[in-house]
Amino acid sequence: NAGVTQTPKFQVLKTGQSMTLQCAQDMNHNSMYWYRQDPGMGLRLIYYSASEGTTDKGEVPNGYNVSRLNKREFSLRLESAAPSQTSVYFCASSEWGTSNQPQHFGDGTRLSIL
Amino acid sequence: AQSVAQPEDQVNVAEGNPLTVKCTYSVSGNPYLFWYVQYPNRGLQFLLKYITGDNLVKGSYGFEAEFNKSQTSFHLKKPSALVSDSALYFCAVREGNQFYFGTGTSLTVIP
Repeated sequence: NAGVTQTPKFQVLKTGQSMTLQCAQDMNHNSMYWYRQDPGMGLRLIYYSASEGTTDKGEVPNGYNVSRLNKREFSLRLESAAPSQTSVYFCASSEWGTSNQPQHFGDGTRLSIL
Repeated sequence: AQSVAQPEDQVNVAEGNPLTVKCTYSVSGNPYLFWYVQYPNRGLQFLLKYITGDNLVKGSYGFEAEFNKSQTSFHLKKPSALVSDSALYFCAVREGNQFYFGTGTSLTVIP
């Protein structure tokens, strides 16, 4: 039961470098999400995709782009990494339009920007 | 606007004692409420949910939560805490396709 898989688990970047965080889910969910988690701030939504072919900004989208590659995969790209983007990034998925279902989370990508 | 508040950053409880982790919410319609647990270096794991019906909801690992509409609260409870319950707990509310999370409460169970 893989659920939501994120790669890589850890990454260190230099300021200005770019990178793509990968996420895949095998639960046939329509909706997928990217969050960042910072101490004392809980989870903040970066982008989400309600269904294949659509993406929308969340609370903190600046400095990020996303691609919903297909129903299974949703990637997050940092075009020019900044130290403020040092964080733990979580991908999640859920059923779409069914309000009684929870989200399922991956184990995160720990990203450090030097 | 939807929001969730967890008023306690840290809760300490002795092993074997009952525990409560507090959550209050604000939503425009019917609340769909969730509790998640996060262990170190792991993602959030679903514990339980309230949709409609009984105000006392039972979930995984012996946890339960009490929904109180008049107080707009959804507190997480367990009758007897275990050391292995030590973790970070998040309350969340769902509206449509979006989830709104509290800032989390760190629970420490003292042996």
